[in-house]
Amino acid sequence: NAGVMQNPRHLVRRRGQEARLRCSPVKGHSHVYWYRQLPEEGLKFMVYLQKENIIDESGMPKERFSAEFPKEGPSILRIQQVVRGDSAAYFCASSPLERGTYGYTFGSGTRLTVV
Amino acid sequence: AQTVTQSQPEMSVQEAETVTLSCTYDTSENNYYLFWYKQPPSRQMILVIRQEAYKQQNATENRFSVNFQKAAKSFSLKISDSQLGDTAMYFCAFMPYGQNFVFGPGTRLSVLP
Repeated sequence: NAGVMQNPRHLVRRRGQEARLRCSPVKGHSHVYWYRQLPEEGLKFMVYLQKENIIDESGMPKERFSAEFPKEGPSILRIQQVVRGDSAAYFCASSPLERGTYGYTFGSGTRLTVV
Repeated sequence: AQTVTQSQPEMSVQEAETVTLSCTYDTSENNYYLFWYKQPPSRQMILVIRQEAYKQQNATENRFSVNFQKAAKSFSLKISDSQLGDTAMYFCAFMPYGQNFVFGPGTRLSVLP
């Protein structure tokens, strides 16, 4: 019974490169959420997706960040032209029901380091 | 704005003793869930306990219990018989119905042998 799988676990990128973070939700979960955790802080909401749709991206920076959850395959969080301030842990969560209910499962996160 | 405050950045407790982590939140919503999550060094976010705001009875899960005071917007976590494996960051969070998690900044708990 696999939980939420995130990869890679650690990712190092040079300034200006692209970062692609992957999230495979719990089997049968069609709701995916991305959260960002800066050092010594709590998680902050970025984006909420259902299959092939972005439902809420109010927490995502307007530039350089994008997310998708295709019909087949994992959800992808993409950061273009990374800067040092993007260094953080990025967590994915999934749920069987729509946002604001219960049954969330979190992944172990991807730690992005920008050098 | 909806916020969660955890006023204790770090705490320590002796093994087998009891410790209480504090949490207050600010919201105008009436219907919401409250949570405590544990984050060990592995970084995994582990649900410790969950409370629905409309329920007056405090939630308990084995050695973990909460003191929920809705009027005061307070949601503290009590850990009884602390174990070395309880060492972790603890995050308080709330979620209004149909909305996203709002997390506090966390309390780093160290259980001392």
